[in-house]
Amino acid sequence: EVHLVQSGAEVKKAGESLTISCKGSGYDFINYWVGWVRQMPGKGLEWMGIIFPSDSDTRYSPSFQGQVTISVDKYINTAYLQWSILKASDSAMYYCARRSNDASGWYSDFWGRGTLVTVSP
Amino acid sequence: DIQVTQSPSSLSASVGDRVTITCRASRDIGNYIAWLQQKPGKAPESLIYAASTLQGGVPSRFSGSGSGTDFTLTISSLQPEDFATYYCQQHNSYPPTFGQGTKLEIK
Repeated sequence: EVHLVQSGAEVKKAGESLTISCKGSGYDFINYWVGWVRQMPGKGLEWMGIIFPSDSDTRYSPSFQGQVTISVDKYINTAYLQWSILKASDSAMYYCARRSNDASGWYSDFWGRGTLVTVSP
Repeated sequence: DIQVTQSPSSLSASVGDRVTITCRASRDIGNYIAWLQQKPGKAPESLIYAASTLQGGVPSRFSGSGSGTDFTLTISSLQPEDFATYYCQQHNSYPPTFGQGTKLEIK
């Protein structure tokens, strides 16, 4: 059974750095893209970027390019989302999602439960 | 980026009703539309991809249709567990983009 297990909630201050994680299990992790999606409080879903664990090929949405870093450690089946300097506006729920290898295009078939990030000013 | 416009933004219905949510893409995306369900405080779950293919385990009362720029999600007979927010997402080109969401509430 496919699982994407995300790290726990974080409470940080503006200016601090942060890395959250997403560990995949129950499937061939290195051969499925893993994406990240932001959901700000009371708002909709926003695609941030995606990484292919096998070769670390990474693509960002233009809105998030330069704002976050996506990385992976394929040896422990874990993808990461990193901020070097947090802002209060980074407060949101962050989801990881697996890109399907069955459907065409950029469809995500399984989702993690989310990591809540709270950043105080 | 491809823009995806979803309507309505909210909808009130009763158990047993048939409801329809629509999604329009800013350009032809073939059949590359997905529908997701999100319940309060929970992660999104994928329901449908490629416009009409149900993700495994999704009840058959959910169906999708459309191609090109116009797409529809239909729930044939609402059940209590279906009251949630629904999102469409184009998965034709990168970055995949989401509609604004439709909140389905109990009348």
